[in-house]
Amino acid sequence: GQNIDQPTEMTATEGAIVQINCTYQTSGFNGLFWYQQHAGEAPTFLSYNVLDGLEEKGRFSSFLSRSKGYSYLLLKELQMKDSASYLCAPPRRAGNNRKLIWGLGTSLAVNP
Amino acid sequence: IAGITQAPTSQILAAGRRMTLRCTQDMRHNAMYWYRQDLGLGLRLIHYSNTAGTTGKGEVPDGYSVSRANTDDFPLTLASAVPSQTSVYFCASSDSASGGTDTQYFGPGTRLTVL
Repeated sequence: GQNIDQPTEMTATEGAIVQINCTYQTSGFNGLFWYQQHAGEAPTFLSYNVLDGLEEKGRFSSFLSRSKGYSYLLLKELQMKDSASYLCAPPRRAGNNRKLIWGLGTSLAVNP
Repeated sequence: IAGITQAPTSQILAAGRRMTLRCTQDMRHNAMYWYRQDLGLGLRLIHYSNTAGTTGKGEVPDGYSVSRANTDDFPLTLASAVPSQTSVYFCASSDSASGGTDTQYFGPGTRLTVL
């Protein structure tokens, strides 16, 4: 992805906690999205951070620091079904439009 | 229909043939998008439409065209397919193109193979 850095792969154990980091450089920035994509399926929306700080949603939390160009996705109480790719997507300003730019994703494998 | 649908699910196509991928949403979203996803390259925007009657070029528009005659439909046409267009194509929609949360909702995808 354009100026978006995520680890390519991560491995964790069922029941554990994992943190997926994302760093980015963009302009006209406002907010950041995280999506989940299971193999062979479409991306699905996980979270959106518009302000700095931590947003908690059940087992998943997302953190954003706009000044540092940094976000992370925290997954707690990992389950086998959490094995998927996690995409970080900050918006960019393109003229009068606002488009998402997509990281290559972090492939998470949850082992029993 | 609930959400966003795409057709066909998969297709094998001979090089040089014309192909239209269909996308329909029933959420009354203003904005729609076409992406291709390739291993190692991630999601790349092909074309987008901020509202019915308007379209715009994304990162990789060459060889593709789109139209947006109404709110619900956003077909993607490959005028003369080439093997490099082998990919998984995702259509997406969002409620607003320039404001709001811009949360995009994706269709299930079309897996296209050009031989």
